[in-house]
Amino acid sequence: EVQLLDSGGGLVQPGESLRLSCAASGFTFSSYAMNWVRQAPGKGLEWVSGISGSGGITYYADSVKGRFTISRDNSKNTLYLQLGSLTAEDTAVYYCAKGDYGDYSWFDPWGQGTLVTVSS
Amino acid sequence: DIVMTQSPDSLAVSLGERATINCKSSQSVLYSSNNKNYLAWYQQKPGQPPKLLIYWASTRESGVPDRFSGSGSGTDFTLTISSLQAEDVAVYYCQQYYTTPLTFGPGTQVHIK
Repeated sequence: EVQLLDSGGGLVQPGESLRLSCAASGFTFSSYAMNWVRQAPGKGLEWVSGISGSGGITYYADSVKGRFTISRDNSKNTLYLQLGSLTAEDTAVYYCAKGDYGDYSWFDPWGQGTLVTVSS
Repeated sequence: DIVMTQSPDSLAVSLGERATINCKSSQSVLYSSNNKNYLAWYQQKPGQPPKLLIYWASTRESGVPDRFSGSGSGTDFTLTISSLQAEDVAVYYCQQYYTTPLTFGPGTQVHIK
């Protein structure tokens, strides 16, 4: 069974940094692109970042470019998202999600999500 | 960026009746070289992550009940629930994967009338 386990969320102050992790199992991790999608409280879904299976190509939403860094360790079957220069607008549940078809894909499955709260 | 819009924002349907959700993209998501529409649909219930229902605009994900169907091409798409069940109460999102940034529609809340 394919499983994604997000972790690393928490309460941070504006301007601080945080690293999210997503542990994957049940599939050949290095063969699939992975993504982060976030959802602010009571709001819709926003794609944040994606990374190719090899890790050599990364993609970012304009809203996080230059502040967030996506990476992966294929030897540990783990996806990461380094969040920096955080603001209140980054408060959201962050989901990792597996891409099923190349680097541009639908997402299936999704992790259970990890909540990031940015507040002083 | 490709902007996705959905209508209606909210929909109340009687049990056993049809629910229809529309999704429109600001530019075509039909890739001419393979004649595929790069459009997916998700269902999200409260407190849960989204669940994939449909990809390639009309291909049902394994395990998804056949009362869910997707149609459309180019810029206009529809998700239909042929006979609404109580467990279908959720927010439904469309998503384009034609190009980055990958974008979602704002969602449609489906209620029981």
